[in-house]
Amino acid sequence: GAVVSQHPSRVICKSGTSVKIECRSLDFQATTMFWYRQFPKQSLMLMATSNEGSKATYEQGVEKDKFLINHASLTLSTLTVTSAHPEDSSFYICSAKGGKGATDTQYFGPGTRLTVL
Amino acid sequence: GNSVTQMEGPVTLSEEAFLTINCTYTATGYPSLFWYVQYPGEGLQLLLKATKADDKGSNKGFEATYRKETTSFHLEKGSVQVSDSAVYFCALSGGAGGTSYGKLTFGQGTILTVHP
Repeated sequence: GAVVSQHPSRVICKSGTSVKIECRSLDFQATTMFWYRQFPKQSLMLMATSNEGSKATYEQGVEKDKFLINHASLTLSTLTVTSAHPEDSSFYICSAKGGKGATDTQYFGPGTRLTVL
Repeated sequence: GNSVTQMEGPVTLSEEAFLTINCTYTATGYPSLFWYVQYPGEGLQLLLKATKADDKGSNKGFEATYRKETTSFHLEKGSVQVSDSAVYFCALSGGAGGTSYGKLTFGQGTILTVHP
């Protein structure tokens, strides 16, 4: 099956710094990538949808200036958490799909655990 | 908007027991329905899906039938194994709610633990 990787898998940073998380589709071209946030024992919350070469579409309540998303190529999307604070600590997961249809399978990355001290 | 509700967990079963995890949804139109599984330390994987009413998705002994009349997509397996221990997520995409590009709405997840 299709593989999606994320890097880093874990990151610890100081409050006020910025952190970049990469999401790569390794064996297919991802026209669309999604970024989710997962709190402990809770479901995944969609943060934003990004299409290659265009601006990301953010979900209601997600600060686009704080969570910068760049989908620069068909195999790479990045999420930058700017001026991170302890409340941003969470598990961030990306997914990627090759088509734009509602039934196209999304392939998920393994997630990135962010801890802000 | 779209929403998905799963049965509360955690669910603990003995090996070879029958499994049901309930999932109901709210959406207008005709969404596609999915079950994803997250094994410990791994990312979510698609387990099965159904794209129209009365469709049955199946994989690895798991089954779920798209019931539009009851807006449900319950996950079942006749005989669970220890290796089935994981978190299971019900999800939907599409429907007349206008979710673009197939973005998924997830249920809260159900933790399944199977003991030998």
